[in-house]
Amino acid sequence: EVQLVQSGAEVKKPGESLKISCKGSGYSFTSYWIGWVRQMPGKGLEWMGIIYPGDSDTRYSPSFQGQVTISADKSISTAYLQWSSLKASDTAMYYCARHSDWGDESFDIWGQGTMVTVSS
Amino acid sequence: QSVLTQPPSVSGAPGQRVTISCTGSSSNIGAGYDVHWYQQLPGTAPKLLIYGNSNRPSGVPDRFSGSKSGTSASLAITGLQAEDEADYYCQSYDSSLSGAYVFGTGTKVTVL
Repeated sequence: EVQLVQSGAEVKKPGESLKISCKGSGYSFTSYWIGWVRQMPGKGLEWMGIIYPGDSDTRYSPSFQGQVTISADKSISTAYLQWSSLKASDTAMYYCARHSDWGDESFDIWGQGTMVTVSS
Repeated sequence: QSVLTQPPSVSGAPGQRVTISCTGSSSNIGAGYDVHWYQQLPGTAPKLLIYGNSNRPSGVPDRFSGSKSGTSASLAITGLQAEDEADYYCQSYDSSLSGAYVFGTGTKVTVL
């Protein structure tokens, strides 16, 4: 079964660092782009960035450039999203999603989400 | 802020047909980029519902259909069922935002 499994919920304080993960299985992890999507409480979906695990080519949404770092370790089929200094406004659900190979820009497989809560 | 605009909510009785619009511009939908639709049931991750404007992934009922024209796209749900109550998002690609994938503002579908 093709799936993306994300790490568990996190509760952090402002200023702390954090790295959440997204592990792919059931397919060739290095052959598909993986994107990250933010959903703030009660709000819509926002695309953050995308990485190609095969060569770690990474693109960021202008809204998130410099705010987060996306990386991948192809040896363990895992993509990461990290923050160096969290803010309360980073409180949100974060999803990873696999870019499809249908020749379009859709995301066909989604992780279950990781809830990040930042509070003092 | 989202560059694809959707109505905040639509509603319909069981069995009825509802449509959700997704309005973009000449840098995304109007530039020829495909539109995709996602269904997000309460408390769950989004699920791909329609890709490439009008294609359904395996397992998606044919009650769901998509279309695209000009700078807009639409998702139609025919024979509305209680389990269709969810949030729906369109998504495309925008050439004006440094290669950005863009989502719509989202529409809540309520089954009366």
